Amino acid sequence: GNSVTQMEGPVTLSEEAFLTINCTYTATGYPSLFWYVQYPGEGLQLLLKATKADDKGSNKGFEATYRKETTSFHLEKGSVQVSDSAVYFCALSTGNQFYFGTGTSLTVIP
Amino acid sequence: EADIYQTPRYLVIGTGKKITLECSQTMGHDKMYWYQQDPGMELHLIHYSYGVNSTEKGDLSSESTVSRIRTEHFPLTLESARPSHTSQYLCASSGVGSSRGGAFFGQGTRLTVV
Repeated sequence: GNSVTQMEGPVTLSEEAFLTINCTYTATGYPSLFWYVQYPGEGLQLLLKATKADDKGSNKGFEATYRKETTSFHLEKGSVQVSDSAVYFCALSTGNQFYFGTGTSLTVIP
Repeated sequence: EADIYQTPRYLVIGTGKKITLECSQTMGHDKMYWYQQDPGMELHLIHYSYGVNSTEKGDLSSESTVSRIRTEHFPLTLESARPSHTSQYLCASSGVGSSRGGAFFGQGTRLTVV
């Protein structure tokens, strides 16, 4: 079956620290992979995506590389800001359905 | 900018009332989804539709019902609200080649049943 496992939170970092949120997946076929961000009281926003192996998705300083050999799609950012505080969801799609991880809460303190 | 809208944003309603949560998208997407999000943040798929007159139940059993009479509109109805229905409800849509483009979400409806 299809599933996504992501790093348990919550994660607390100081401003300008390096961020990694781990995400691994199990999928039949060749999934597309996504990271979504959810700010308090809002819906999910698509942060970045990758559609095939070795693709790197990037947006707003965040990056993730589609690693087929390790079935991973870890989210990274070199220097986090207070405004990055949110919940991050890893997701995959193999067709019509989307499968989400359980979310990782990130708090960045000044 | 994704164009998918949910109304109301917040709703407090008494037990036993009938409610409809609205969801509309202007992107012409054929696929639409309803998720329930618990306080622990996890998303649970409760309904989905692959097109007009097509609706299916999701992974999480729900007492709600949905309809898809028009491509752009995917309302969710609770015939008799109960406190256990208190939750955040998120609507999403995706288009042709959805596996590549991703799903787009509305801002959500926070429902409280008292």
